[in-house]
Amino acid sequence: QSALTQPASVSGSPGQSITISCTGTSSDVGGHNLVSWYQQHPGTAPKLIIYDVTYRPSGVSNRFSGSKSGNTASLTVSGLQAGDEADYYCSSYTNSRTLVVFGGGTKLTVL
Amino acid sequence: QVQLQESGPGLVRPSQTLSLTCTVSGDSVSSGSYYWSWIRQHPGKGLDWIGYIYYSGTTYYNPSLKSRLTISLDTSKNQFSLKLSSVTAADTAMYYCTRVSAVRGIINSWGQGTLVTVSS
Repeated sequence: QSALTQPASVSGSPGQSITISCTGTSSDVGGHNLVSWYQQHPGTAPKLIIYDVTYRPSGVSNRFSGSKSGNTASLTVSGLQAGDEADYYCSSYTNSRTLVVFGGGTKLTVL
Repeated sequence: QVQLQESGPGLVRPSQTLSLTCTVSGDSVSSGSYYWSWIRQHPGKGLDWIGYIYYSGTTYYNPSLKSRLTISLDTSKNQFSLKLSSVTAADTAMYYCTRVSAVRGIINSWGQGTLVTVSS
């Protein structure tokens, strides 16, 4: 069982927007603005797409955006494209020696 | 640009020791800005935090693996390694080496991953 809770799957049609939630506790998501999101296409390593809740690494589309409220972080993908179909994982810095905790992952299907 | 590359056997016999090495280029494992970590992913499953090592030698091991796990650093070769003893089929997974920012927990660099199968 993962430390952070994500929906197992979400779906949307091309051009639409979807939001993936990531719920933790005050020791991780709620206690720091240090949530990251990773995109993983089949057969490839995860790729960082959001860090520090809202920031995008260079080269990541501005169709990806992040936010946080309380113990829940969210990833929004706008203007869905076929290439966005992938698994998405959230992670958060945590107070403990663990350093990082993960969500269980969400499979995004573009209909 | 930092690059990480895992190496090691793709097949390990049950009860033997799984040994993987991660070679780092474009950065130094002696950097105090990052932790060097291992993450695994069972087939069709999510990401599991194995553990990490800091340049000082400080380590963290996932409690579920702690009794079987050793992560070490070789600064002369700019590498870090994982050894997991007494493996079973449950250790069959894709293993990734990663670089993690020390105070923010951002995994900003990943190796391509190496699939390790435990089978006789």
